[in-house]
Amino acid sequence: DVQMTQSPSYLAASPGESVSISCKASKSISNNLAWYQEKPGKTNKLLIHSGSTLQSGTPSRFSGGGSGTDFTLTIRSLEFEDFAVYYCQQYNEYPPTFGAGTKLELK
Amino acid sequence: QVNLLQSGAALVKPGASVKLSCKASGYPFSDYYIHWVKQSHGKSLEWIGSIFPNSAYTKYNENFKNKATLTVDKSTNTAYMDLSRMTSEDSATYYCSRCGYYYSGFPCYFDFWGQGVMVTVSP
Repeated sequence: DVQMTQSPSYLAASPGESVSISCKASKSISNNLAWYQEKPGKTNKLLIHSGSTLQSGTPSRFSGGGSGTDFTLTIRSLEFEDFAVYYCQQYNEYPPTFGAGTKLELK
Repeated sequence: QVNLLQSGAALVKPGASVKLSCKASGYPFSDYYIHWVKQSHGKSLEWIGSIFPNSAYTKYNENFKNKATLTVDKSTNTAYMDLSRMTSEDSATYYCSRCGYYYSGFPCYFDFWGQGVMVTVSP
């Protein structure tokens, strides 16, 4: 199975700041990577697929980059609603696998 | 709008089975794979398997082949997951989700998720 290593596990930031989350695959996955947001009381939200394509409804302050084995999710000018847990997921091969998650907390 | 509504929380005895449901609405149910994902408490997400409602074709993670059985009822737009011989290791939240690709059996991202159902295994 493709192992997805996500870092950091925790990230503390303030509204208005920019943050980046890293996701590394154990082998090349081309650009078959998605990012999700998890918030209590809400269904998981697909933010980005194909490494950098924003899903409809995802604010433009979110961006994704990378290909092969190294990927990054960047959130510019954090808003209060962005404090959540973020997961990466590869869908290049079966089984799809997820990173361990990054909890973005309010500083 | 697309919605995946899952059944309520379940308390199951060790050794018993449980059947979880996922009722889809807002799109042609038969045309998109439904996937199931496990999230153990405080841990990450693990893909269990998928089913194509049109044909009931299934694909499983090897780790869940003897644990989960996926079925669908097209007449009610509902997908089901049976979990058998439950142990404490099966206590988790289980999600159904929709493949982001139309009619695709390739690995995919998940564009819509159910709200999740917490299953607790306890005597």
